[in-house]
Amino acid sequence: NAGVTQTPKFQVLKTGQSMTLQCAQDMNHEYMSWYRQDPGMGLRLIHYSVGAGITDQGEVPNGYNVSRSTTEDFPLRLLSAAPSQTSVYFCASTRGESSPLHFGNGTRLTVT
Amino acid sequence: QQQVKQSPQSLIVQKGGISIINCAYENTAFDYFPWYQQFPGKGPALLIAIRPDVSEKKEGRFTISFNKSAKQFSLHIMDSQPGDSATYFCAAPGKLIFGTGTRLQVFP
Repeated sequence: NAGVTQTPKFQVLKTGQSMTLQCAQDMNHEYMSWYRQDPGMGLRLIHYSVGAGITDQGEVPNGYNVSRSTTEDFPLRLLSAAPSQTSVYFCASTRGESSPLHFGNGTRLTVT
Repeated sequence: QQQVKQSPQSLIVQKGGISIINCAYENTAFDYFPWYQQFPGKGPALLIAIRPDVSEKKEGRFTISFNKSAKQFSLHIMDSQPGDSATYFCAAPGKLIFGTGTRLQVFP
């Protein structure tokens, strides 16, 4: 049972480049979410989804897009990377509001 | 947005001591109050959680206490060990918002 799988683990981008961070879960969870983690800032919610076809913005959505075409996958897109997006990104899934979040192991992104 | 205020930001404890981390929340409409533990290079993982029908839950050396009237819940780590050194997060009940984290260091 893989749980939540994130790819890639590491990525270096140049300013202005685009990329997609992949996230997949095999637990049939309806809720999925993306976070960024920066030193001293904790985990900040970027976007989340409560089911296939439904997405919404979190605390820090600017510069990121998401879509949820299947229950299993929730990719995060950076359309034009900026140095301020250098961070560690975590994807998580859960059955619902009163259930634990299951996290992937993160993607470390550096934008130069 | 739902807010959670977590304190302290960092904590240094000697081996065998008690570590206490606090979380204050705003919204009382939910029924799940979790603490997550994160080791370097890993994603957070659920450590312990409580539902508001009880005031305390203990799992081994970890205890979570809940004060509904004060809108606070706390994590107590008894007999703290160097292996407990990690970052701890509380999460807003019913939401996907986290506290800013507490970095715990336990020294031998």
